[in-house]
Amino acid sequence: DIVLTQSPASLAVSLGQRATISCRASQSVSTSSYSYMHWYQQKPGQPPKLLIKYASNLESGVPARFSGSGSGTDFTLNIHPVEEEDTATYYCQHSWEIPPLTFGAGTKLELK
Amino acid sequence: QVQLKESGPGLVAPSQSLSITCTVSGFSLTSYGVHWVRQPPGKGLEWLVVIWSDGSTTYNSALKSRLSISKDNSKSQVFLKMNSLQTDDTAMYYCARNLDYWGQGTSVTVSS
Repeated sequence: DIVLTQSPASLAVSLGQRATISCRASQSVSTSSYSYMHWYQQKPGQPPKLLIKYASNLESGVPARFSGSGSGTDFTLNIHPVEEEDTATYYCQHSWEIPPLTFGAGTKLELK
Repeated sequence: QVQLKESGPGLVAPSQSLSITCTVSGFSLTSYGVHWVRQPPGKGLEWLVVIWSDGSTTYNSALKSRLSISKDNSKSQVFLKMNSLQTDDTAMYYCARNLDYWGQGTSVTVSS
């Protein structure tokens, strides 16, 4: 099974600053054309919301302050500038092989 | 618009079985796959199973012996059954279309 390691487990960022969340896969999840890595946001009491698919493609309606990058085994979610509504837990998830799909353990973003 | 709604029993006794229904609208089950994902209280996301648009299924190997998924395309419903529940099966259970649209989840507590 592919293991996704997210870091940090939590971070505190000031309003207007940049938040950077990393996700490292235990093996490559990329081809020459696609990276099978996706990012979700989950707020308390809500289901996960898909933010970015295939490493860097923003879902419709997601603010442009969210961006994703990376390939192979190393991926990054950036949020800049951070707004108050961005406080949430963020998860990466791969779809390279199934079964199983796996998620990272999550990164909790708080405001400083 | 796309909607998914889970319905379940809420409370299940240890060793008993769980049946949850996901009722969808705004899309056809003959065109999209539906996944089940669960989340224990305060913890991360665990992918369980998917039923594809053609009716084929893929299970999380670790839970395959206890899970069963089926659907009724005409009723726009997907059914999840899990056997031999234990306390560590206590979780929020979500259904999701292709993991891009998610239901609000149904909470399941395993307790005597």
